[in-house]
Amino acid sequence: AQSVTQLDSQVPVFEEAPVELRCNYSSSVSVYLFWYVQYPNQGLQLLLKYLSGSTLVESINGFEAEFNKSQTSFHLRKPSVHISDTAEYFCAVTRRYGGSQGNLIFGKGTKLSVKP
Amino acid sequence: GAGVSQSPSNKVTEKGKDVELRCDPISGHTALYWYRQSLGQGLEFLIYFQGNSAPDKSGLPSDRFSAERTGGSVSTLTIQRTQQEDSAVYLCASSLVDNEQFFGPGTRLTVL
Repeated sequence: AQSVTQLDSQVPVFEEAPVELRCNYSSSVSVYLFWYVQYPNQGLQLLLKYLSGSTLVESINGFEAEFNKSQTSFHLRKPSVHISDTAEYFCAVTRRYGGSQGNLIFGKGTKLSVKP
Repeated sequence: GAGVSQSPSNKVTEKGKDVELRCDPISGHTALYWYRQSLGQGLEFLIYFQGNSAPDKSGLPSDRFSAERTGGSVSTLTIQRTQQEDSAVYLCASSLVDNEQFFGPGTRLTVL
């Protein structure tokens, strides 16, 4: 079975400061990794994903995440946040092969609050 | 193009009643998923349909929950004899490639 741990339930930061949202996973098989974002009163949107290849993946709005297999981590970072980044961020995994490979296992979420 | 749509957006029901929640996936997506988002449990997988294969029901919390997908497209999640602990936002997602899921806006279910 897989599990995902997001170490911080809430992260308050000031605008233009850097931020890191931490995610660790546990799995006995290879996984795909995802970050989803949920803006206030909106649905879940895919932010970025790691399937294979380069361990550093980027989103169109300046976020990046690095897959670290040895530390089983997939932390999300942004060098300078904006007020509009205020949202809840969910880390998720799914198995790469076999069985119910499609369903996502989510972490509990991290609420990022960006203050002026 | 159109995204995943869900109806109703909000549903208030009395304990013991049955409810049906509907999901319209993105056209052509072969996989469809139901999840539940609640304050206490976070985001939980419920059920997964892939093409004409038998659904993966491993996430359904009890036999009061069931789902069907007609014609490989629209899906209905049914909760029988609703309980207060069923109150949550029910999310539907669909995918073409089996690891990138697109989510609908959800149905907020409140059981009084």
